[in-house]
Amino acid sequence: DADVTQTPRNRITKTGKRIMLECSQTKGHDRMYWYRQDPGLGLRLIYYSFDVKDINKGEISDGYSVSRQAQAKFSLSLESAIPNQTALYFCATSDGASSYEQYFGPGTRLTVT
Amino acid sequence: AQSVTQLGSHVSVSEGALVLLRCNYSSSVPPYLFWYVQYPNQGLQLLLKYTTGATLVKGINGFEAEFKKSETSFHLTKPSAHMSDAAEYFCAVSKPYQGAQKLVFGQGTRLTINP
Repeated sequence: DADVTQTPRNRITKTGKRIMLECSQTKGHDRMYWYRQDPGLGLRLIYYSFDVKDINKGEISDGYSVSRQAQAKFSLSLESAIPNQTALYFCATSDGASSYEQYFGPGTRLTVT
Repeated sequence: AQSVTQLGSHVSVSEGALVLLRCNYSSSVPPYLFWYVQYPNQGLQLLLKYTTGATLVKGINGFEAEFKKSETSFHLTKPSAHMSDAAEYFCAVSKPYQGAQKLVFGQGTRLTINP
């Protein structure tokens, strides 16, 4: 079984709809991240969480919100989706302050029409 | 602020040829540097990293990279390309005290291998 899972894997939604992307991990890591990937722009950090009670904005948090329901679960919400939020979204985890590696989920491809 | 520039959004090489993917960074402090690979329809996985010590670092699948402080570069190389190396490659940087946290990624280089 995958260590970092994301649901759904693909989603098409309409402008103005609320949508939630979910991430779960079985690695026991305390730190979790949400990125979006756009062609030619690489990955950009949306939000990150160092533990259940610690949530921080990343580079491009406008239009997004997150919830850390448990150490293993970190959800990303788009309150009112817009077409320029069409992208590939990745969840990642890392283990503690001294870790040098982030572990990525398989991604969610979101299309907003 | 830190930044990463990957020269060439697409690189194409023949099978068996040298692979060279270029990465230059900007950082106010000596950074930690990473290369990640993304195979089609998959998430990213770590290829190799530089933190401290030896400036030539070896990673998985025969890749290596050299940290050159004077050139602010961390280019990725592989002596002989294999068809399975076709993927997108991302260079990333972080501040030393942040480890793998708050990575700043380059825009990516798509590597194509010609038979």
